[in-house]
Amino acid sequence: DAGVIQSPRHEVTEMGQEVTLRCKPISGHNSLFWYRQTMMRGLELLIYFNNNVPIDDSGMPEDRFSAKMPNASFSTLKIQPSEPRDSAVYFCASSLAGGLYEQYFGPGTRLTVT
Amino acid sequence: AQTVTQSQPEMSVQEAETVTLSCTYDTSESDYYLFWYKQPPSRQMILVIRQEAYKQQNATENRFSVNFQKAAKSFSLKISDSQLGDAAMYFCAQRAAGNKLTFGGGTRVLVKP
Repeated sequence: DAGVIQSPRHEVTEMGQEVTLRCKPISGHNSLFWYRQTMMRGLELLIYFNNNVPIDDSGMPEDRFSAKMPNASFSTLKIQPSEPRDSAVYFCASSLAGGLYEQYFGPGTRLTVT
Repeated sequence: AQTVTQSQPEMSVQEAETVTLSCTYDTSESDYYLFWYKQPPSRQMILVIRQEAYKQQNATENRFSVNFQKAAKSFSLKISDSQLGDAAMYFCAQRAAGNKLTFGGGTRVLVKP
């Protein structure tokens, strides 16, 4: 299996632009997670889906952030409009549902907003 | 709300020696799971070891072992026979109701040759 796939790996954009991050989970996994990692705040869960349905989006910073999972093999995280404080590494992870199951992380997308 | 605390920002260990990383957590749940993840400079998050809260026996994975003290809400990681490839950030994480993982702030491990 190729593991969790994220694209792009790096994104540099100007303030005010729309940014879309993409994730393909591991086939067969039914839970998908979006995390953000910064030096100041560490690793934060933004949102997670079970069976393509958003379960908890309490970590989404504000209305500029939105996430979708139209099917079991694809998810997007969109920021519109982007701001310099959104600069971070964004991770997607997937797992089988259930507490003991490991979350497999993608390589992350490093986002820089200038 | 769940919180996970790693009080050591950085730890240094001599190659082949042992280092112990501390982690404490706070939860009102009775059923939960604990994890240690490793993040090398490549930034890939890699699971090191996991522990079910209802199991008293401490988990072990090769050179990695944990000391799980449920009453004290403590979950430390011991790395034995440290190798240069163990140099990384280590994150303690807790997973309770639902699938949410709550991470600690991380401990950077430096391995001296």
